[in-house]
Amino acid sequence: KAGVTQTPRYLIKTRGQQVTLSCSPISGHRSVSWYQQTPGQGLQFLFEYFSETQRNKGNFPGRFSGRQFSNSRSEMNVSTLELGDSALYLCASSGTGLTEAFFGQGTRLTVV
Amino acid sequence: GQQLNQSPQSMFIQEGEDVSMNCTSSSIFNTWLWYKQDPGEGPVLLIALYKAGELTSNGRLTAQFGITRKDSFLNISASIPSDVGIYFCAGQLGSSNTGKLIFGQGTTLQVKP
Repeated sequence: KAGVTQTPRYLIKTRGQQVTLSCSPISGHRSVSWYQQTPGQGLQFLFEYFSETQRNKGNFPGRFSGRQFSNSRSEMNVSTLELGDSALYLCASSGTGLTEAFFGQGTRLTVV
Repeated sequence: GQQLNQSPQSMFIQEGEDVSMNCTSSSIFNTWLWYKQDPGEGPVLLIALYKAGELTSNGRLTAQFGITRKDSFLNISASIPSDVGIYFCAGQLGSSNTGKLIFGQGTTLQVKP
């Protein structure tokens, strides 16, 4: 069974631009969560999608948004990028009713 | 926001030694998970715990869900060089019915051959 796939692996963007990251969950998983990982703050929950609906949201500004498609694939978007948005963005998928989250390799975003 | 206090922050041990790390919180958790992360990669799930008092093993790894539901520990026996990495605890709050996980700050493990 293929794992969680995130694309792209690396991105370099300029301050003020926007970016879209993609995540394909494990086949059959309907829950997709996004996390931001930085050296200072660690792993911070961004939001979770289940059956195309946002089920939970972390404490991030509105510049961070996401969506989920009918095939459970998910995207997250960050608008008006700031230097502090530089981080490893991780996507995790879970099966229905299960808490075990399986992570992708992440997208390393660098904002310059 | 909610926090998990994970300790120690880092460990430098000799190959063959046993390792112990733990996480504590002021909140009650439904689930405790332990992950290992290698540089540049995503966290890999090691062990999942669902019931207070539960003790679960995965090879040389053993983890327990604390009786109070506010703590968990992970033990690694007879460490080997490939155990090097960052270990994270993560929990789902008792009041939560979603996939949101709270993570500890991580324990960096280095093993000297």
